[in-house]
Amino acid sequence: GNSVTQMEGPVTLSEEAFLTINCTYTATGYPSLFWYVQYPGEGLQLLLKATKADDKGSNKGFEATYRKETTSFHLEKGSVQVSDSAVYFCALSRGGADGLTFGKGTHLIIQP
Amino acid sequence: KAGVTQTPRYLIKTRGQQVTLSCSPISGHRSVSWYQQTPGQGLQFLFEYFSETQRNKGNFPGRFSGRQFSNSRSEMNVSTLELGDSALYLCASSLRPGQKNTEAFFGQGTRLTVV
Repeated sequence: GNSVTQMEGPVTLSEEAFLTINCTYTATGYPSLFWYVQYPGEGLQLLLKATKADDKGSNKGFEATYRKETTSFHLEKGSVQVSDSAVYFCALSRGGADGLTFGKGTHLIIQP
Repeated sequence: KAGVTQTPRYLIKTRGQQVTLSCSPISGHRSVSWYQQTPGQGLQFLFEYFSETQRNKGNFPGRFSGRQFSNSRSEMNVSTLELGDSALYLCASSLRPGQKNTEAFFGQGTRLTVV
């Protein structure tokens, strides 16, 4: 079946540090890959997505590249801010009626 | 454009009771999916509805059910509540189902606590 593995954290960084959150997946075929973010007390918001190999998704300074050879979709940001503190979820979709498959989420804490 | 609206935001129920949660999708979206979020299991797919038909269901017992109305609004029902059903229930809407590139828009969720 499909699965997504990501570091769970918490990951604690200082403001302006470089961020990497690793995500690897298992799926047949060519899924689309997503990063969602969840702020405290809120639902999920789509942060970025990539739909085919070598695509790079980007938004709000965050980037992730779809690497089929390593089945990875690592999230990066060059300089984090306190406002980036949230839980980040990596997810995949193969289409059909299976919905999204999520990783367990990574709790990110940015300290001033 | 209004986002996905879930009601109520918070619920406290007693073991053995049943509960109904509601989700209004973004206007024009016809596909609604439900997810359960718990600290232990993370986000798990419950079911997806399109055109008033359930297209798929995740690995949950029959106590979990849902339906979709002609205006695309959806409800999910949990009968004979157990303590383990305490979770954040998230609804997501999308334009159409079955396409892997389609973005899902999530509501703020309903926090269910079973005591």
